[in-house]
Amino acid sequence: EVQLVESGGGLVQPGRSLRLSCAASGFTFDDYAMHWVRQAPGKGLEWVSGISWNSGSIGYADSVKGRFTISRDNAKNSLYLQMNSLRAEDMALYYCAKDRGYSGYDWFDYWGQGTLVTVSS
Amino acid sequence: EIVLTQSPATLSLSPGERATLSCRASQSVSSYLAWYQQKPGQAPRLLIYDASNRATGIPARFSGSGSGTDFTLTISSLEPEDFAVYYCQQRSNWYSFGQGTKLEIK
Repeated sequence: EVQLVESGGGLVQPGRSLRLSCAASGFTFDDYAMHWVRQAPGKGLEWVSGISWNSGSIGYADSVKGRFTISRDNAKNSLYLQMNSLRAEDMALYYCAKDRGYSGYDWFDYWGQGTLVTVSS
Repeated sequence: EIVLTQSPATLSLSPGERATLSCRASQSVSSYLAWYQQKPGQAPRLLIYDASNRATGIPARFSGSGSGTDFTLTISSLEPEDFAVYYCQQRSNWYSFGQGTKLEIK
């Protein structure tokens, strides 16, 4: 059974940093791209970032480019999101999502339950 | 950035009725469009990918159509569990989501 468990969320002041983690199990992690998607309270979905199976291809939404960094450790079956210079508009539930494409980008077939990031002074 | 615009924002229907949800892209995305369903307190679930292919385990009452800039998700006969928020997503140029359509019980 595929499981994605996010952690690392919490309350952080504007301008500070936070690192999210996603622990994956139930599939061959290093065969698939992975993504972060966020959802502000009561709002829609926003793709944040994606990383290919070997970290050779990485993409970011314009809203986070230059502030957020996605990475993965295939030996640890883990995905990360380093978030710097956090803003009030970054406050959201952050989902980790598995790509369904084998060794490439495709659609998102499994999602975690999310970790909540609150940005407030 | 490709912008996806969904309509209507809210759709009020009764069980057994047919639902038609629309998604329009700001530029052609070919057939690189998917639909997701999200229920309160849950993560999204992939329904349709590549515009018209049902994901694993998705009932046949869900169907997708379209290409280029105009896409439609159709639910042929609504079941009580279908009332939720639906999002379209493109992957022609990285990824983006539409703002969602809330399907509510009339």
